[in-house]
Amino acid sequence: GNSVTQMEGPVTLSEEAFLTINCTYTATGYPSLFWYVQYPGEGLQLLLKATKADDKGSNKGFEATYRKETTSFHLEKGSVQVSDSAVYFCALYDSGAGSYQLTFGKGTKLSVIP
Amino acid sequence: DVKVTQSSRYLVKRTGEKVFLECVQDMDHENMFWYRQDPGLGLRLIYFSYDVKMKEKGDIPEGYSVSREKKERFSLILESASTNQTSMYLCASSLSDRGVVFGEGSRLTVL
Repeated sequence: GNSVTQMEGPVTLSEEAFLTINCTYTATGYPSLFWYVQYPGEGLQLLLKATKADDKGSNKGFEATYRKETTSFHLEKGSVQVSDSAVYFCALYDSGAGSYQLTFGKGTKLSVIP
Repeated sequence: DVKVTQSSRYLVKRTGEKVFLECVQDMDHENMFWYRQDPGLGLRLIYFSYDVKMKEKGDIPEGYSVSREKKERFSLILESASTNQTSMYLCASSLSDRGVVFGEGSRLTVL
């Protein structure tokens, strides 16, 4: 079956530090990949996505590249801000699996300190 | 803005009570989902629906049921709430692989 593995948290960084959150996946077909963000007390919001190999998703300074050869979709940001403190979820959607649901990683909590 | 609206942000119920969590989307999406979110366990799918009156069990359906009488509305029902159902419940909807849109969540406490 499908699965998503992302790095354990929590991650604590100083403001303006470089961020990487690792995400790897297992899928039976050719999935679309997503990063979602959950700010404190809120639901999940789509941060970025990539639908095929070598695509790069980007939004709000965050980037992730769909790497089929390493089955990875790592999230990066060059300079984090306090406002980026949140929980980040990697997810995949595999239409070839005949399902309509997303498979999520367990989430990585990021705390950015001034 | 497209929206998924959950009827209650916070609920407190007693063990054995029947609980309804309502969810409405305004995007004409076919697919709707109920997840629960717990610390250290991430998001776990309870039920999903890909059409009116259709429902499919997710990973943890025990103790829950759902209803989808209209396309825009997907309800989660706890027939007899228990303390281990204290959690954050997230409703979502989607249109194929364009990404899933989530509501803001309903935090349920069962005493």
